[in-house]
Amino acid sequence: EVQLVESGGGLVKPGGSLRLSCAASGFTVSDASMAWVRQPPGKGLEWLGRIRSEAEGGTTDDAAPVKGRFIISRDASKNTLYLQMNSLKIEDTALYYCATMLHIRGVNYWGQGTQVTVSS
Amino acid sequence: DIQMTQSPSSLSASVGDRVTITCRASQRIGTYLNWYQQRSGKAPRLLIFAASNLQSGVPSRFSGGGSETDFSLTITRLQPEDFATYFCQQTYGDSWTFGQGTKVEVK
Repeated sequence: EVQLVESGGGLVKPGGSLRLSCAASGFTVSDASMAWVRQPPGKGLEWLGRIRSEAEGGTTDDAAPVKGRFIISRDASKNTLYLQMNSLKIEDTALYYCATMLHIRGVNYWGQGTQVTVSS
Repeated sequence: DIQMTQSPSSLSASVGDRVTITCRASQRIGTYLNWYQQRSGKAPRLLIFAASNLQSGVPSRFSGGGSETDFSLTITRLQPEDFATYFCQQTYGDSWTFGQGTKVEVK
């Protein structure tokens, strides 16, 4: 059974950094295209970016609002996806979801989300 | 980036109604369009991929259509568990984006 479990969220001051983790089970992270999506309180979904499978080159794409500040990576030995978030802003406050696209070009598995709050 | 515009932003309906939500892309995207359902307090759930393909386990009362710039999600015979927010997502090219969402509420 495919499972994604996020961790690492919390309260951070503006300008600070945080690293989110997403522990995967039921599949191998290096074999899958994986992504991060966030949802600010009471608002819609925002695509942050993805990392392609190793077979597709393992490259990343980042959305414009987070380009240069957020970095997506993975550790195959831990079967874990990461989101390194730097220079955090108040508007980065959101529930952050880990997601994977297994065999289709759509997110068919989601984690439960981890809350990030940026506040002074 | 490709902008996705859903309409309406919200609608009121009753159990048994037929509901249609539309999504318009700011440029042609072929059939690189997915639909998701998000119930309150839950993670999104994939309903339709590649514009018209029903995801495994999704009831057949959900259907999707369209291509290039205009797409639709239809729910026939609305059920109590279908009151939720629905999002479209384009996956054309490298930068994927969601629509703003459509909330289906009880009339």
